[in-house]
Amino acid sequence: EVQLLESGGGLVQPGGSLKLSCAASGFTFSTYAMSWVRQAPGKGLEWVSVISGRGDTTFYTDSVKGRFTISRDNSKNTVYLQMNSLRADDTAVYYCAKWGYGSGSRYLDYWGQGTLVTVSS
Amino acid sequence: DIQLTQSPSFLSASVGDRVTITCRASQGTSSYLAWYQQKPGKAPKLLIYSASTLQSGVPSRFSGSGSGTEFTLTISSLQPEDFATYYCHQLSTYPLTFGGGTKVEIK
Repeated sequence: EVQLLESGGGLVQPGGSLKLSCAASGFTFSTYAMSWVRQAPGKGLEWVSVISGRGDTTFYTDSVKGRFTISRDNSKNTVYLQMNSLRADDTAVYYCAKWGYGSGSRYLDYWGQGTLVTVSS
Repeated sequence: DIQLTQSPSFLSASVGDRVTITCRASQGTSSYLAWYQQKPGKAPKLLIYSASTLQSGVPSRFSGSGSGTEFTLTISSLQPEDFATYYCHQLSTYPLTFGGGTKVEIK
């Protein structure tokens, strides 16, 4: 059974840093890309970042470029999101999600339960 | 960036109704279009991928269609557990984007 468990969320002051972790199990972790998706309170979903299975390719949404860094440790089956220079509009539930592949397409087939990040003074 | 516009943003319907949600993309997404269902306080759940392929375990009353820039999610007979928010998602081009969501509520 695929499981994704996020941790590391909490309250942080504007300009501060936080590192999220997502521990994965139930699949061959290094084979799959992983993403972070966030959801501000009462708002829709926003894709944040992706990292390839080997960890050598990453992409980000424009609003976090230069501030957030995605990484992974395939020996620990864990993906991370280092968040620096946090702003109030980064307040959201952050989900990690596993990529799936099939029918000539790709998608996010498993999601964690989310971890809440609150940026406030 | 590819913008995804969902309509309607809100839908009131009764159990047994046929419901259709539309997702329009600002440019072609090929087959890289997925649909998710999200209930309050829960993570999104994959329903459809490759525009029309039903994810394993998802009831057959859900179906997807479309190509290029226009896609639809149809629920053939709405059930009580289907009241939720639905999102389309393109994985064709970075940055990946989601539609704004369609909230389906009980009439």
